[in-house]
Amino acid sequence: GQNIDQPTEMTATEGAIVQINCTYQTSGFNGLFWYQQHAGEAPTFLSYNVLDGLEEKGRFSSFLSRSKGYSYLLLKELQMKDSASYLCAVRGYGQNFVFGPGTRLSVLP
Amino acid sequence: GAGVSQSPRYKVTKRGQDVTLRCDPISSHATLYWYQQALGQGPEFLTYFNYEAQPDKSGLPSDRFSAERPEGSISTLTIQRTEQRDSAMYRCASSPGKGDPGGTDTQYFGPGTRLTVL
Repeated sequence: GQNIDQPTEMTATEGAIVQINCTYQTSGFNGLFWYQQHAGEAPTFLSYNVLDGLEEKGRFSSFLSRSKGYSYLLLKELQMKDSASYLCAVRGYGQNFVFGPGTRLSVLP
Repeated sequence: GAGVSQSPRYKVTKRGQDVTLRCDPISSHATLYWYQQALGQGPEFLTYFNYEAQPDKSGLPSDRFSAERPEGSISTLTIQRTEQRDSAMYRCASSPGKGDPGGTDTQYFGPGTRLTVL
């Protein structure tokens, strides 16, 4: 079966660091993606991991452990505009993508 | 075009009617996806195209759902005999495909069509 788990909601303070976890069980693995989705808008690409380890991109970093079926997205120096849903997605065989339910992050002043 | 566009943005229909949703992908993109997204949930894969080929339609919920991309660019998603449970946001995304130099094959999502079946 295909399953992706993420926490439903998280809250953090402006300027802080937050880590959003994602665990997955999918048939086939060809990369893990993180997308950001503001309320009422389309998802936008944040990061991609296909090999184990950390990928850093400005304030955002993403980590992958394929043996554990685990990834996290790390957001540093949180800003109010980071309040959004964060979607973990796994590309299985071919171009079949499985998205998680998303984690709704609220950044408080 | 500059981005992925979808039309209509909103569609209200009565149960039993057929609806057709349209997606216009980024012009250079080989791959096009259709997703269904319920409120507060992640997108759920329906089908995808590589140019005009449709290698995977495993996510289509029933035979009432069909998609086409006859010339490898614009795509349509048709839902026949709509039911209230079909009410959702339908999102289209496109990606460069295997030719993406970065290798990520990032998806670019359209604004979606909000379908309401009464």
